[in-house]
Amino acid sequence: EPEVTQTPSHQVTQMGQEVILRCVPISNHLYFYWYRQILGQKVEFLVSFYNNEISEKSEIFDDQFSVERPDGSNFTLKIRSTKLEDSAMYFCASSETGTRYTFGSGTRLTVV
Amino acid sequence: AQKVTQAQTEISVVEKEDVTLDCVYETRDTTYYLFWYKQPPSGELVFLIRRNSFDEQNEISGRYSWNFQKSTSSFNFTITASQVVDSAVYFCALSEANSGGSNYKLTFGKGTLLTVNP
Repeated sequence: EPEVTQTPSHQVTQMGQEVILRCVPISNHLYFYWYRQILGQKVEFLVSFYNNEISEKSEIFDDQFSVERPDGSNFTLKIRSTKLEDSAMYFCASSETGTRYTFGSGTRLTVV
Repeated sequence: AQKVTQAQTEISVVEKEDVTLDCVYETRDTTYYLFWYKQPPSGELVFLIRRNSFDEQNEISGRYSWNFQKSTSSFNFTITASQVVDSAVYFCALSEANSGGSNYKLTFGKGTLLTVNP
């Protein structure tokens, strides 16, 4: 069964550093998403990406965040200057139709 | 705005008991999708079921069953004869199209932590 692959599985970074979380969506999928889950809390929508542009973003997705699909296969989430409160599990998801999702196994980001 | 409520924060049962996880949702759309995901301690999100708003038939998959009732905006999940391996956080989620119709983002409930004791 096709999978969404996320790397790294765990990243530790110092406050103020930039991080890039990487995702390889399923190859024929057209919709891409990032979600965040702070430890012990619910999964929250960050951003969706379709047709090479952001289709929707949440209030959480401020100017510190950006997404890119640089080469037609990867889908990245960049956090420019990390804060302690960015510590969370970040899930990438992709969808062929926009109504059925495949999630990656997540990247646990720890900001120290 | 869409909203999902899982009123049960934690449930603890003894193995072989049946358990029902409640989910109530709010949406203004007539077309939407409802989901259940399981999150074991390892952290990944495991897809369990997707149901569209036009299909109110209940569904059974092995020990799992789902009861979708549009009249009460509920999509409840029952595990029959629970097992220790069912211990996890269970999330209910709702997706509806944005105004442009190009995106169906998921809105998750806060989750229910199910602990099944031997």
